[in-house]
Amino acid sequence: AQKITQTQPGMFVQEKEAVTLDCTYDTSDPSYGLFWYKQPSSGEMIFLIYQGSYDQQNATEGRYSLNFQKARKSANLVISASQLGDSAMYFCAMREGGGGSYIPTFGRGTSLIVHP
Amino acid sequence: ETGVTQTPRHLVMGMTNKKSLKCEQHLGHNAMYWYKQSAKKPLELMFVYNFKEQTENNSVPSRFSPECPNSSHLFLHLHTLQPEDSALYLCASSQSSNRAGGYGYTFGSGTRLTVV
Repeated sequence: AQKITQTQPGMFVQEKEAVTLDCTYDTSDPSYGLFWYKQPSSGEMIFLIYQGSYDQQNATEGRYSLNFQKARKSANLVISASQLGDSAMYFCAMREGGGGSYIPTFGRGTSLIVHP
Repeated sequence: ETGVTQTPRHLVMGMTNKKSLKCEQHLGHNAMYWYKQSAKKPLELMFVYNFKEQTENNSVPSRFSPECPNSSHLFLHLHTLQPEDSALYLCASSQSSNRAGGYGYTFGSGTRLTVV
């Protein structure tokens, strides 16, 4: 079974509007962490935001916020006031706390295009 | 230089060639990773090195041979590749592969490999 599911292969948004990128995850480990990365056409994976499973508040980093709904096992990324430079692939990832390995598992990604 | 640097950025090689990809990190991290990113597929973890020791090999064919001479450098030696090996190869580093943390998992810009 897939551990990270991103159901939106592509999303379009108008510049200056907000957009939500969906991510659901599957784990039985009570301790886990969720990441979002941005990958522009240049190829580099850029870390955006992190949410720990025990964090009480939703994570925010500038225009990025993570809508963490633990019971639904969802960790959607919200980008407010979209900019043209936000056009990129976005990947959700999860690392699980048990077992000694903290290497994240990645979803298939969502392509975001911001229109002027 | 800071961050994770990968060279070359682009590589075209024939199926009988031998080439190497290089990754260097200047972050003081102790774990380094090779990932393969093919079109329309999730990011695939290939190898993990923790404190210069290989800790994971995700059933990667032997035509890919990693080398980690020290915690700052990671190589991927390539020989007798197949056209289906064409992909973006990403290197990443983190403090340790067996420690939790929301930050410190840093990627390079990748090497786009084409096998002809």
